[in-house]
Parts: sequence; C-alpha cells; structure tokens
Amino acid sequence: ETVLTQSPVTLSLSPGERATLSCRASQSVRNYLAWYQQRPGQAPRLLIYDASNRATGIPARFSGSGSGTDFTLTITSLEPEDFAVYYCQQRSDWPLTFGGGTKVEI
Amino acid sequence: QVQLMESGGGLVKPGGSLRLSCTTSQFTFSDYFMSWLRQAPGKGLEWISYISRGGNTIHYADSVEGRFIISRDNAKNSLYLQMDSLRAEDTAVYYCARVKSGAYYFDFWGLGTLVTVSS
Repeated sequence: ETVLTQSPVTLSLSPGERATLSCRASQSVRNYLAWYQQRPGQAPRLLIYDASNRATGIPARFSGSGSGTDFTLTITSLEPEDFAVYYCQQRSDWPLTFGGGTKVEI
Repeated sequence: QVQLMESGGGLVKPGGSLRLSCTTSQFTFSDYFMSWLRQAPGKGLEWISYISRGGNTIHYADSVEGRFIISRDNAKNSLYLQMDSLRAEDTAVYYCARVKSGAYYFDFWGLGTLVTVSS
C-alpha cells in the first residue's frame, strides 16, 4: 500500500498570501496524484489531477507540481473561500489511498 | 450540473446491516465507473470500493472486503452499497463519487450519508 504523508498538518496564513502544501509518497506514484479541497460540511472537490492538471472550473491560482514521490499544491493568493482542508490521493496502485490532509486556516 | 445523492444511512447496532443508495442525474451513468468512499468523524478520506460501467469489475479495500457489496442499476442511474457485519469502526460519512474517465480520481461527489454503528 502506498502511504501518502502530507505536510504541514496545519498552515496558518492570511488572505492574499501564498500557500504551499506538500504530499510525499512512500513509493513512486509517477504523476498519478490528485489534490482535493474539502470545506467544512461539504464533500471534497477535485482540484488537480495527474499532478499538474487543473480540473474543470478550478481557478488558475491553484497549481500542482511534482512527480515520483514528492508533490506540491500551490495557491498563489489565498481567497477567503480557500481556507479548507486539502487532501492528496494516488491512483498508481491499489488500494487507492489518500493523505491525512492539510488544514489551511486563517 | 452533475448530481449525486446518497441515502440510507442511520444508526445500526454492531453486527447489523444497512443498504446505501446513490441516485444520480445530469450525466450518462452507464458511461462511468463509480465508487464509494467514507470519512470517519474528524478523520481523512478512505476509498472503499469501485465498480466498472457494466458492473463486471469490482474492487474493495481490505477493510470492507467480504462484508460490503457494491452494485449498480444502470436503468435506474443508481449505485448501491450493501453493508453487513457492521463494526464500530465503520462509523463514517459515506460518499458516492463518480470516477473520472480514464483515471481513478473522483470528479463529482455526493453530499454523503452518515452511518453510525453503536449499541
């Protein structure tokens, strides 16, 4: 099983600042990694897939990078609605696994 | 707008059973793989099962293998999860999700239904 470790667990920032979130895999997942956003009381929303492709309707301030075992989600300028929990997920092998999440808080 | 809506959650005793349903609309259900995921209170996300378009390929996480059964009815645009031998650790919000074409990511999710296993 591929274990995904996200860091930091909590990121405290202000609106307008840049957020950098990390996801590290216990073995190579090539570029088969996605990022999701989950706001309180809501279902997760797909942001990025295959490491760097934005999903439909996702603003350009969200970007993803990385391959192999190290991945980054960057939010260039935080909007109020971006304060949420972010999860990474790999599809390189079974079972599909998620990271533990990073909470971006004000 | 793609829509998914889960139902069937509730309180059940350990060892009991529940059947979850997910009704969908605004997309061609039979064209997509579908999946169930869950989130325990205050915890992260866990994938638990997926089913192929025609239902002939199914995969489960080890944590539910042998106890849960996923199925679908393409005529009704619906996905199901039969959960037997429930345990306290199965307590979670259960989400159905559409699997993105060509890749095992989840591009649309329902709002979830809460399953509580407690005596």
